[in-house]
Amino acid sequence: NAGVTQTPKFQVLKTGQSMTLQCAQDMNHEYMSWYRQDPGMGLRLIHYSVGAGITDQGEVPNGYNVSRSTTEDFPLRLLSAAPSQTSVYFCASSYSIGTFPSTDTQYFGPGTRLTVL
Amino acid sequence: AQSVAQPEDQVNVAEGNPLTVKCTYSVSGNPYLFWYVQYPNRGLQFLLKYITGDNLVKGSYGFEAEFNKSQTSFHLKKPSALVSDSALYFCAVRGPPSGSARQLTFGSGTQLTVLP
Repeated sequence: NAGVTQTPKFQVLKTGQSMTLQCAQDMNHEYMSWYRQDPGMGLRLIHYSVGAGITDQGEVPNGYNVSRSTTEDFPLRLLSAAPSQTSVYFCASSYSIGTFPSTDTQYFGPGTRLTVL
Repeated sequence: AQSVAQPEDQVNVAEGNPLTVKCTYSVSGNPYLFWYVQYPNRGLQFLLKYITGDNLVKGSYGFEAEFNKSQTSFHLKKPSALVSDSALYFCAVRGPPSGSARQLTFGSGTQLTVLP
């Protein structure tokens, strides 16, 4: 198993550019999520999905879009990059139990370090 | 809303000495608490969790955590630190159902450095 993979590992954008961060998992997990990690602020949830075709907003969704067309893939789109989006982005997945997915044991990808100039 | 606080940004300990990484929480209802570890240039890894039962929870790599309801704390401990334990440690608490899932709220992290 490759687990959770993310591409690219590093990216530099200019203000106003758009791009897509890729995330894929091969564990057949229903739940997938995107976090951003900033110094002194821990991880903040951007968007998440509890299954193909279903997405929902997290704590800091503005400026980001997601879609979930398959169980395996959960790309994150930056519509018009801003310097405030400079961060490390992590994708995570976990299995689902019951009506509300269990997000307790999440598997994280290696991260994408994004710099917006 | 639920929250966790990690009062120490940095903890230094000598190899072989016991280590403690502190965490306090705030949540309505029964707490579901977690520790994750992040090694350099890697994603977070699950370490252990407290759901119910014994106040001392054992996890991976020899780590354990002590739940204290009266002090609303969930400190991470290890009897004898290794240099390889040097990493960033995150405490987290599970929130109530919101949207379509119960999310984890993470603390700001504590950088543990074990000195040889």
